[in-house]
Formats: sequence, C-alpha cells, structure tokens
Amino acid sequence: KAGVTQTPRYLIKTRGQQVTLSCSPISGHRSVSWYQQTPGQGLQFLFEYFSETQRNKGNFPGRFSGRQFSNSRSEMNVSTLELGDSALYLCASSLFVSEGTEAFFGQGTRLTVV
Amino acid sequence: AQTVTQSQPEMSVQEAETVTLSCTYDTSESDYYLFWYKQPPSRQMILVIRQEAYKQQNATENRFSVNFQKAAKSFSLKISDSQLGDAAMYFCAYRRGDNNNDMRFGAGTRLTVKP
Repeated sequence: KAGVTQTPRYLIKTRGQQVTLSCSPISGHRSVSWYQQTPGQGLQFLFEYFSETQRNKGNFPGRFSGRQFSNSRSEMNVSTLELGDSALYLCASSLFVSEGTEAFFGQGTRLTVV
Repeated sequence: AQTVTQSQPEMSVQEAETVTLSCTYDTSESDYYLFWYKQPPSRQMILVIRQEAYKQQNATENRFSVNFQKAAKSFSLKISDSQLGDAAMYFCAYRRGDNNNDMRFGAGTRLTVKP
C-alpha cells in the first residue's frame, strides 16, 4: 500500500512569488492535514480537509490556503512568499476524522524562500 | 489552549540500555489522545505509540512503552534495549478527542544512541 506522497520534495522560490504543494494521501484516506515545521516554531498545524471541506484551520495568515479534491488529494498554496515561510511542509492523512485514528505522514516538501 | 512541553532538547543512551523521554501537556479537556512520533533524518514522521486518555493502562509497543500520568498531565516514553536505529528526533503530540485532526506537538527531543 503506497504511503503519503508529497511533491515536490524540494522547492526554491523567490520572495513575493507563490507556491503550490501537493499531497496524495493513502488510498481510502479522506482526511488530510498540513503542518509547517521550522527550527524556531517547531511543528505547527496549518489546516485540515475532510471530504473536500476545510474542517480546521491553524493560526496562519490568509496567504496560506488549501483545498482538497474529490479523490482526496490536497494542495496547499502560499502566496506572496516571505523569507519566514522557509520550512518543511508536512502532510498527514487519516482514514477518518475521529477518535485516535492514526495520522500517516509524508516525507515533506522542503521550501526555501530566497 | 493546549500546549505540549518536552523539556529535554537532547538525550543520549548507550546501545542496549534504557532511556526515558519526558513530555508534559496542558489541557482542560477530559477526552484526548497522546502520541509519540519519531522523525529520523529522512524527515518522515513515524508513529511510535499512542495512548487514549480514557485508558488507565499504559500503552506498550515492543520495546517502547509509556508512563501516562493523567492527573499530573505527564506522558513519558521509555525505550528499552536501545538500538542504533532508534536515533532520531522524538515528538510528543496531543490531539483532542472530538472530530479534530489538529495535533499539537512538543519541541522534540533529539535522541543519540552510542554504540
């Protein structure tokens, strides 16, 4: 069974540009969550999608957005990139959004903003 | 707001020995879940062990076990018979018990295993 796939693995963008990251969850998983990992702030929750609907959103500016498609694949978009957006972006998928359902993580996309 | 604290930025253990990683959390919820995740240099987060707050029995998974003290809001991870492959960053995480996949993570503990 294929795991969570995130593309691309590495990305270099210039300040002011926008970027789109992709996440393909494990087959059958309907919940996709996104996290930002930085040395200074650690792992922070961005948002979660379930059945194409955003269910929860973390404390990030509106430049960070996402969506989920009918096949459960998810994308996140960051507009007007800032240097501080440089981070590892992790995607996690779960079968359901309930109880202690395990979240499976992808290997992340390393975004560098220059 | 729920917070998770890992007070040990780095820990070291000799191969085959036992090590305990500490984690405390703050919440007013009664229903929640606690997790320990491992992040090796490959960056992929791997679930090590999970504990439901309503269960009094401490979770165990082979060489990994937890000491869950609900009243003290403490959730430590014990690794027995440490192996070189256990070297990684370990994150303690909290998640509310409702339909919410927002996990709160601690800052992590970097575990080094010495041969």
